[in-house]
Amino acid sequence: TQLLEQSPQFLSIQEGENLTVYCNSSSVFSSLQWYRQEPGEGPVLLVTVVTGGEVKKLKRLTFQFGDARKDSSLHITAAQPGDTGLYLCAGELIFGTGTRLQVFP
Amino acid sequence: EAGVAQSPRYKIIEKRQSVAFWCNPISGHATLYWYQQILGQGPKLLIQFQNNGVVDDSQLPKDRFSAERLKGVDSTLKIQPAKLEDSAVYLCASSIPGLAGFRQETQYFGPGTRLLVL
Repeated sequence: TQLLEQSPQFLSIQEGENLTVYCNSSSVFSSLQWYRQEPGEGPVLLVTVVTGGEVKKLKRLTFQFGDARKDSSLHITAAQPGDTGLYLCAGELIFGTGTRLQVFP
Repeated sequence: EAGVAQSPRYKIIEKRQSVAFWCNPISGHATLYWYQQILGQGPKLLIQFQNNGVVDDSQLPKDRFSAERLKGVDSTLKIQPAKLEDSAVYLCASSIPGLAGFRQETQYFGPGTRLLVL
């Protein structure tokens, strides 16, 4: 059974700080996706990474797919209150456990 | 472009009662998914449709859950009878089949239906 574990589970930081969220599995995935979900809404796709070692940037967000395609990370530079939400990684329709981020002004 | 529509947004029922959720996907999206998201967890796939055919329902508790997608557009998910552990948000998503396969497609999610079973 493929599982995706995310860490940390919760993250509470001040505006302007940097943070990294991790998504790990013992299984190989053909691709991984990152979503952000806000309260009362469905998840919204941020990025899809396909190639091992791939790095994608989306403004202040940097996504990396591990060389072995078993893990991924999301790094946010200079976090803002608008980044607050639940961050989910997903591979092959399997979602991770989620990281709940709270950014205080 | 209109997004994925779901109704109702909230539902409170007693255990052993029945409940149904409705989803209208984005126009032209052939693939439709139903997920269950329990509080504090990531979404879990219940069933995937391609047009009006079932692609994957391996995680659907078929003794109490059923889903259909007549005419390959709208879909309904039913629970009968409901249990306390069915309390969750039920998310519907849709996507366009791509050359890379559905596992790399962009899924567009609706706002979900929040179910509370008392």
